[in-house]
Amino acid sequence: GENVEQHPSTLSVQEGDSAVIKCTYSDSASNYFPWYKQELGKGPQLIIDIRSNVGEKKDQRIAVTLNKTAKHFSLHITETQPEDSAVYFCAASDGGTSYGKLTFGQGTILTVHP
Amino acid sequence: DAGVTQSPTHLIKTRGQHVTLRCSPISGHKSVSWYQQVLGQGPQFIFQYYEKEERGRGNFPDRFSARQFPNYSSELNVNALLLGDSALYLCASSRDSIRRGYTFGSGTRLTVV
Repeated sequence: GENVEQHPSTLSVQEGDSAVIKCTYSDSASNYFPWYKQELGKGPQLIIDIRSNVGEKKDQRIAVTLNKTAKHFSLHITETQPEDSAVYFCAASDGGTSYGKLTFGQGTILTVHP
Repeated sequence: DAGVTQSPTHLIKTRGQHVTLRCSPISGHKSVSWYQQVLGQGPQFIFQYYEKEERGRGNFPDRFSARQFPNYSSELNVNALLLGDSALYLCASSRDSIRRGYTFGSGTRLTVV
């Protein structure tokens, strides 16, 4: 089955700096890669996703890149703010055959210091 | 629009007991999935239901079962609870396939003592 590795496990940055979180996946059939933000006491919230026919996607301060050949994808957050502090999870799915199954990474605790 | 609602929010059970967790998807969403999140780890897939049929099952023992009702709400049942079942149980809903994006509820925190 699919295996998703996520690094780093913790990331500490100063407000205004950029943060990068990287994930690798094992199943070449995976074609959908969402990123979730989880705050304390809440469920994961989808912040951005990318499909395998796209190499990069941006949404304001957040961007995701995908390298299908190398089987890795990354989350980039620019101009970080204290409210970006949370746990971030990457995930992968093959969409069609595993209808709703997301395989998550282990998570990255992001701390943005004012 | 109400989000995905889960009940109860917290639950304490004794080893060997049975538990039922409930989930109401966003209105119009026909797909519901269940995930288990152990403290400090990413969520792990348990079940996925679409139009009341099981469409996927994760690597969990038969003590775990689920069903989806005609109104698309869902229940997750766990029998013979073990200490290791202590976790946050998350429900996620989507309009149809995963490519539409999944919306998660806030979860049920289950503690087995």
